[in-house]
Order: sequence, then structure tokens, then C-alpha cells
Amino acid sequence: DQQVKQNSPSLSVQEGRISILNCDYTNSMFDYFLWYKKYPAEGPTFLISISSIKDKNEDGRFTVFLNKSAKHLSLHIVPSQPGDSAVYFCAASPRQAGTALIFGKGTTLSVSS
Amino acid sequence: DTAVSQTPKYLVTQMGNDKSIKCEQNLGHDTMYWYKQDSKKFLKIMFSYNNKELIINETVPNRFSPKSPDKAHLNLHINSLELGDSAVYFCASSQLQGTKNIQYFGAGTRLSVL
Repeated sequence: DQQVKQNSPSLSVQEGRISILNCDYTNSMFDYFLWYKKYPAEGPTFLISISSIKDKNEDGRFTVFLNKSAKHLSLHIVPSQPGDSAVYFCAASPRQAGTALIFGKGTTLSVSS
Repeated sequence: DTAVSQTPKYLVTQMGNDKSIKCEQNLGHDTMYWYKQDSKKFLKIMFSYNNKELIINETVPNRFSPKSPDKAHLNLHINSLELGDSAVYFCASSQLQGTKNIQYFGAGTRLSVL
């Protein structure tokens, strides 16, 4: 029973274009959402997050959008760079800090130059 | 200067052995976690400790026992290893503050049980 779903296992984008990674969730108790980036043989690295009281959060080239009614979030990377090639995990948690993060299965992003 | 460090990075062992994985964080966080990434690539919580006290214990076999000597360390001891224990184990830490739940991960320990 997957509570966080990333339905696209992979995405290929050209350098300079926009990358859009999608994530859906089913649990209405989720209140805080995060994106992590992971390179091979390394741990997940925190990228950006958003609270359910917002619908957008931006940090440099990275923007996360949250559509709470659709239980959907997306990560936009503009412009995409070859160094962005990695696995991107969507994660969610209930309001309380210190609880477990529930992860999606990840999307492998490949940015070609 | 690594924030969350795990040792060893790779661990190859025989079925039935007992092994430990160590984790240390220098971020001053008060909460630490163990996650398991299985062959299907899902990252799932195993345990969580806050100030040396267990706060999350998912359905994990009793052969897995976390130990937190202080709030900067959370070690994972595994008894009687089985083939199905082969996975990548990640340690993480966070600071309880409001509603944010940003967790910082170590590089992982790849356990192979033969």
C-alpha cells in the first residue's frame, strides 16, 4: 500500500530545459512534503520542502508546487543541468516533526548536454 | 566534515552471523533514525530515537536492535543475519522544531548476506 507514489520511474531532459517531476499521495494526514536528491552510493540529500499551508516554494532553480485538493506535488527544475542527473525522491510526513518520512520509489532524472 | 556518518560503508557476511552498523551525527540534532532501502528501492523507516529514547519501532524482526548511547549516536545491531536482510541501511537525523521534518541522511551501509 503505497502512500506516496512517483509514477514515472525515469525522465530524460535536455540541458537548459525544464524538468518536471511528479508525486502523488493518498494520506490526508500528510502535512509536510520534501524532495530529496540521491546520487549512486550516496545518501539522499535534502533539496526543498513545502508545508501544506503553502502551494509553492522556490529555491533558486528549484520550485515545488503543492495541490492539496488533488493530493499532488511537483518539482520543477529550471534550467536543468547535467549535474542534476540523479534519483529524486518525494517524501511526506504528518505535521509533527520527528515522525517517519514516507518515501516514493524515486524518479531517475537524466539531463543530457 | 561529514554531518551524518555511517560505518562501515560495505558489509559482506555469512548467514547466521551477528553484525553492527554505527552511526554518528555532528549536527547537534536530538532525533535519529534508521531506514532500510530494499531491492525494490523503497526507503522505509525502521526505528527512531529522540534523546536516546525509542519513539518509532516499525514492524521489524527482534533480531534488529538499535542502541543509542547518546543523542549523537544510533547504532544498529543485527543478530542471526538472513539472506533477506541484504539491503542498504541509511541513518538519518533531525531536530524537532515546529512542523518541519527535514531529515539528513548518511551515505548508507550496503549489507550483503551470503
